[in-house]
Amino acid sequence: QSALTQPASVSGSPGQSITISCTGTSSDVGSYNLVSWHQQHPGRAPKLMIYEVTKRPSGVSSRFSGSKSGNTASLTISGLQAEDGADYYCSSYATSTSWVFGGGTELTVL
Amino acid sequence: EVQLVESGGGLVQPGGSLRLSCAASGFTFSNYWMHWVRQAPGKGLVWVSRIHSDGSSTSYADSVKGRFTISRDNAKNTLYLHMNSLRAEDTAVYYCAGPLGVNALNIWGQGTMVTVSS
Repeated sequence: QSALTQPASVSGSPGQSITISCTGTSSDVGSYNLVSWHQQHPGRAPKLMIYEVTKRPSGVSSRFSGSKSGNTASLTISGLQAEDGADYYCSSYATSTSWVFGGGTELTVL
Repeated sequence: EVQLVESGGGLVQPGGSLRLSCAASGFTFSNYWMHWVRQAPGKGLVWVSRIHSDGSSTSYADSVKGRFTISRDNAKNTLYLHMNSLRAEDTAVYYCAGPLGVNALNIWGQGTMVTVSS
């Protein structure tokens, strides 16, 4: 039950685009189109931003988009805004258990 | 309004037990799988356990298998996590979460803090 691999931190200036990667294995990311991304601000519960690799829940900005290739999924945030600064976690359905999360990526908006 | 509210957290000694509860409202609780996810201080999210909508099937992370038991009472719209033989490394905020209408955890409670320390 190894966690998915994410970069510890990424940063970008307002208006720029950033991409966060999430690498798993053929037992999770590579086998299922069930990758999701959560945003978490300090002291708050996680909020779903992307599900089933590319879908956005109602109310989530179109600036957030997801993709997947092989065992690696990605979250792209375009037109960075100050309020996007948060921790981001990928997750995937996994054969052996249920959901496996990534270690999290801290996004800093410069 | 769809809502999950956890309770039952607190300070417990190593080797002790605790039962967490998660009260659901605003949706048909009995229709959905439910999950527990935890987050140690300053660390990432870790999936802990899940239970089928009717309680017939459960699964656990290796780190808690044999020590934690997930259960639910659909008549009371409540999810539980029974935690035994607690260790310092179980110290975390525990969230209940559910996939309502999507294949992802889109509904989360506010979390309840469990501290295992002597």
